[in-house]
Amino acid sequence: AQTVTQSQPEMSVQEAETVTLSCTYDTSESDYYLFWYKQPPSRQMILVIRQEAYKQQNATENRFSVNFQKAAKSFSLKISDSQLGDAAMYFCVMSGANSKLTFGKGITLSVRP
Amino acid sequence: GAVVSQHPSRVICKSGTSVKIECRSLDFQATTMFWYRQFPKQSLMLMATSNEGSKATYEQGVEKDKFLINHASLTLSTLTVTSAHPEDSSFYICSARGIIGTGKNTGELFFGEGSRLTVL
Repeated sequence: AQTVTQSQPEMSVQEAETVTLSCTYDTSESDYYLFWYKQPPSRQMILVIRQEAYKQQNATENRFSVNFQKAAKSFSLKISDSQLGDAAMYFCVMSGANSKLTFGKGITLSVRP
Repeated sequence: GAVVSQHPSRVICKSGTSVKIECRSLDFQATTMFWYRQFPKQSLMLMATSNEGSKATYEQGVEKDKFLINHASLTLSTLTVTSAHPEDSSFYICSARGIIGTGKNTGELFFGEGSRLTVL
């Protein structure tokens, strides 16, 4: 069985500062994907970043980057130069090659002006 | 990127009536679609997985006769909440995973905008 753990329910960051959201997971599969999705107040799920498990290089998307530690089964998201629009609920998600997605509980990020 | 459209975005109905929610993949073939339910400030709870042309696979605890799912084509899946009651009020989200562009399945899900159901 796959599990995704986001142990922090809430975090707060000052605008323009950097924040790291933690996520750990467990799976017996060797081939899988990891994602961070953002859900703003509109509730539309938005893909933030994606990481293929077979790639050692950490994915980056502009101000967003991940620290993927496969052996430790850790997949944290770093948001640099935080903006007010980054305030949202963030979900860490895992997908096996042919299996359904497993969601973490989510973390609510607030950005202080 | 791929687009998934969900309709209606909001629906209010009387207790005992049935409500249908549609989920369409607009620019790709959705071989697999997922239906989720989300309570306020909580994660998405998978209700069922539907594959085009076959019966949906429901998660444990989800009533098949209550939540009817149909995936008759590669671009459309529907969720019908039958004989709705106030406890069915929730936010329902569909997502689709399919073959895009060169045929690669990236594993990524594309989400609809969600549907807010309120049962009076």
